[in-house]
Formats: sequence, C-alpha cells, structure tokens
Amino acid sequence: QKEVEQDPGPLSVPEGAIVSLNCTYSNSAFQYFMWYRQYSRKGPELLMYTYSSGNKEDGRFTAQVDKSSKYISLFIRDSQPSDSATYLCAMSEGSNRLAFGKGNQVVVIP
Amino acid sequence: GAVVSQHPSRVICKSGTSVKIECRSLDFQATTMFWYRQFPKQSLMLMATSNEGSKATYEQGVEKDKFLINHASLTLSTLTVTSAHPEDSSFYICSARAGTDKETQYFGPGTRLLVL
Repeated sequence: QKEVEQDPGPLSVPEGAIVSLNCTYSNSAFQYFMWYRQYSRKGPELLMYTYSSGNKEDGRFTAQVDKSSKYISLFIRDSQPSDSATYLCAMSEGSNRLAFGKGNQVVVIP
Repeated sequence: GAVVSQHPSRVICKSGTSVKIECRSLDFQATTMFWYRQFPKQSLMLMATSNEGSKATYEQGVEKDKFLINHASLTLSTLTVTSAHPEDSSFYICSARAGTDKETQYFGPGTRLLVL
C-alpha cells in the first residue's frame, strides 16, 4: 500500500461547480497536511496548510482533515477555468520529508 | 513572500555533458532545500535534502555522484547532473523551507532538462 493515495483523475466540472478532491494515507504519524496546485510545466504552489484534524477555509478553498479515517479533502467553491490545474496533497510527520499524492488533474469547463 | 526561483527554466544538452541547476530563495533564508524529480503525470519524487553548510542527504536509489548538490549559502542550492544521459531527462524542482515555518515547503518553478 502506498503511503499516500490520490485518484489522478482527470476530473472535469462545469464552471461554478464545487470541486471535491481527496487523499487517503496509511501513516498515522502524519500531522501536517498540505494541498498544492500545479499548473502545467510549473512548480507546485502551496494552497492550504493544516495541522492535525479539522477544517480550514481560505476564500473559495476549504481543507478538511480527518485523522481518525486517515482522509483529507480539498473543496473549491464557485470553480473558475483558472482553477484548472493538478492538485497535489502532501503530508508530513514533522520531519523534513513530505509524502505526496500522485496529483489529481482538474479541468473546469467554461 | 516565500519566493523560490530556479535557473535555467529549460536546458537541452548533449549526452555526457554536465548541467548545473540553481535554486534560490529570494526573500527568506532557507536552512533546508530539497530537490525533486517529476516525470509526466507523476508525483514529485524526493531526490535529496540539503542543509546549508553540510552534505546533502540522498534518498534511496539516488546516486550522489551523479547528482551533486551544493548548499553554499542560506539562499542558494545547486544541483549538478554529471555526465547526463537521456534517461536523466526530466522536470527537476527545488523547494525551500524557511527556518521559522518548519513544515511548509515553497517550490521553485522547475527546470526542464532534455538530454539528447
């Protein structure tokens, strides 16, 4: 079993819809959870950062962490064509090392 | 804030030559920098972790003599791909961690390497 599982998609949604992304993980020691957005041929850009369980909201983005289920989610409200990108989840125990999901490609159709 | 740059953004070289990629943290001091490799439609694969002033720590399976890493200052790390071969063609991305925010890594824009 991989440390972090993420469905690569692609996920196509109409503009204005809610995008729902998730990752599962196997390492119960993970405490720090991140979502990155990566446009084609660019480096990842940090979107959301959460410590331990709970919800965090930033504008149209909401990140949720459920440590009991080893499951994290990212929701994008009122999706825009500019949200079309690959979204990577990443997590850490608190050491240097980040464990990444494969990335989920999202396409928002105008 | 937290901007990381990479240079060059793209490089094409002949097989057998060496290529140096620079990673700079522009507005913060990076005690730790990371080098990743990413294949098309795949996630990031950590190659090595470098701390300023000390030797890099390489991940299992990464040849340290092939991928030379130097972290000479708190704002600059370099990755040199020595004697490059076509199988080294990939997207190389660095990231940097600010000393005060131990868990967040800020990524550079990446360098696309094509070895002919």
